[in-house]
Amino acid sequence: GAVVSQHPSWVICKSGTSVKIECRSLDFQATTMFWYRQFPKQSLMLMATSNEGSKATYEQGVEKDKFLINHASLTLSTLTVTSAHPEDSSFYICSARGGTSGGPSTDTQYFGPGTRLTVL
Amino acid sequence: AQTVTQSQPEMSVQEAETVTLSCTYDTSESDYYLFWYKQPPSRQMILVIRQEAYKQQNATENRFSVNFQKAAKSFSLKISDSQLGDAAMYFCAYRKEYGNKLVFGAGTILRVKS
Repeated sequence: GAVVSQHPSWVICKSGTSVKIECRSLDFQATTMFWYRQFPKQSLMLMATSNEGSKATYEQGVEKDKFLINHASLTLSTLTVTSAHPEDSSFYICSARGGTSGGPSTDTQYFGPGTRLTVL
Repeated sequence: AQTVTQSQPEMSVQEAETVTLSCTYDTSESDYYLFWYKQPPSRQMILVIRQEAYKQQNATENRFSVNFQKAAKSFSLKISDSQLGDAAMYFCAYRKEYGNKLVFGAGTILRVKS
């Protein structure tokens, strides 16, 4: 139980284009999802927190107009990197927190496998 | 603000031996959660173990156990009978009881020698 998927697992795009990454909780409903960015051999940096049906809360320094987050349902959140540039190249990870009784622990975040974005 | 410190950037252990990874944190809260996550070369974050601060008993999961010292704000992870598959980056993380955010440490790379 508590499986989170991400799609795509890797993507290469040209500078100036937009890229959408999907995050799905496969076997539970997630009231809250999180988006992280990770550089090689570094820790995870929280970008934003999203709750189903409401606007995402962005961390300080994260451009909300560049990193669009939509949490349309209890099992799907998307991150769109708009007008991507080489400096946006990174590993993006989502996580989901259980939110319903009978499901996985609401105290724990379950992580997706990550998406490697390369912007040329 | 809460902070999590992992003072060991890298550790090595011989296969079948025991290793302890250190983690300290700073908080003024009395109730919170602590976690150890493992990130192998695949980069999939895997929950290893979690501890509720109100529980005095140290959490254990098979070969993994923690030494939770609340007064000292210390939360170390002990891996017994180390296996090659334990080689990974290990992250210690903190969350307030009613909070959303995980605060991560910088991570410790664990190498397992055969």
